[in-house]
Amino acid sequence: SQTIHQWPATLVQPVGSPLSLECTVEGTSNPNLYWYRQAAGRGLQLLFYSVGIGQISSEVPQNLSASRPQDRQFILSSKKLLLSDSGFYLCAWSTKQGKVGTEAFFGQGTRLTVV
Amino acid sequence: AQKVTQAQTEISVVEKEDVTLDCVYETRDTTYYLFWYKQPPSGELVFLIRRNSFDEQNEISGRYSWNFQKSTSSFNFTITASQVVDSAVYFCALSEQRRGAQKLVFGQGTRLTINP
Repeated sequence: SQTIHQWPATLVQPVGSPLSLECTVEGTSNPNLYWYRQAAGRGLQLLFYSVGIGQISSEVPQNLSASRPQDRQFILSSKKLLLSDSGFYLCAWSTKQGKVGTEAFFGQGTRLTVV
Repeated sequence: AQKVTQAQTEISVVEKEDVTLDCVYETRDTTYYLFWYKQPPSGELVFLIRRNSFDEQNEISGRYSWNFQKSTSSFNFTITASQVVDSAVYFCALSEQRRGAQKLVFGQGTRLTINP
């Protein structure tokens, strides 16, 4: 069965510090990978998605970047964190079968607080 | 642009009551998919159901049921005989195609509290 791992679970970082959140998927190959952010009391917003190694698409302009160095690894980064980067970050994966309409499966999330 | 509206921010009911969570969506696509996810206090999103725009049959899974009405662009979720374990934030979402992938457009979520 497929599983998705995301770490760390919680993170407190000072403003201006770098960030690296990692997500890995097991039990599937060539998945679509996604990073979503959930601001406090709000819905989820898609930040980045990737359909393959080295292929990253950004949904919203921001202080963050993403990379996919391996097929089942997706990394969210920042060189200098801002207070507004605080939030709950969720990694997700879906199969390519059918493209639209396949459900996404989410990791357990990382709660980032920038202080 | 795609949009999902969950007008109920918070709902609180007593255990064993039935509760309906509303979801209204906007899309120009003729083919689309709708989803419901549950977010328990632990934070991860748990997939509950997917429905495509061509299938308007209601679906029942145990105490859960979904009512999809294309004419009113609604996809409501009902929990029958609610239990404390149903307490969570529930999200309705709409698929939006991207190159080789899809984006889920989420509503703001409804926080459901089931009191014993």
